[in-house]
Amino acid sequence: EAQVTQNPRYLITVTGKKLTVTCSQNMNHEYMSWYRQDPGLGLRQIYYSMNVEVTDKGDVPEGYKVSRKEKRNFPLILESPSPNQTSLYFCASSGLAGRGVYNEQFFGPGTRLTVL
Amino acid sequence: GDSVTQMEGPVTLSEEAFLTINCTYTATGYPSLFWYVQYPGEGLQLLLKATKADDKGSNKGFEATYRKETTSFHLEKGSVQVSDSAVYFCALHNAGNNRKLIWGLGTSLAVNP
Repeated sequence: EAQVTQNPRYLITVTGKKLTVTCSQNMNHEYMSWYRQDPGLGLRQIYYSMNVEVTDKGDVPEGYKVSRKEKRNFPLILESPSPNQTSLYFCASSGLAGRGVYNEQFFGPGTRLTVL
Repeated sequence: GDSVTQMEGPVTLSEEAFLTINCTYTATGYPSLFWYVQYPGEGLQLLLKATKADDKGSNKGFEATYRKETTSFHLEKGSVQVSDSAVYFCALHNAGNNRKLIWGLGTSLAVNP
């Protein structure tokens, strides 16, 4: 089954304790992205990757890191989490088509993170 | 810059009622437009899309028409069901935006039996 998986689905942690949220897709997609979803703010892009070893900042990258060592995986790293990073996080992926052509983004089920 | 504005929710309807969720956009050029749906506890999934003016996207009884003259992409369904209860997001993609979607804030829909 084609899917994007995220782990963990729920996480409660404390300020300053490094954590990683994993994201994996089995569709051989080049493009992957991380979003956070907050009430009243909608979806905001954190980082994205156009392909292996190619990553770039989205709209709200501060406090986050990513890596893309393999095509299927795109982990989100919080080196020193803070309470304002409490949010619902989504990973998404899509294939690349021609210039200007948009391919559907497939989303993971989300990771609800609480930083105390 | 590009932006998407959706009607605020929550929207509460009775089963079999008619649904409209308004979406308007601001963008240069000729963006593609999308509606995504997020069911409770799940990630977002594409509901329908339209890639050029006057296109109508449709899926699962939902429809939306790309209106360039009014810069709108309103979502409609003739008869909603309880299972349609979800959050609906309007989004646009403009060529050259590196795959980035511009999102509306989402509209929560609750359908009561």
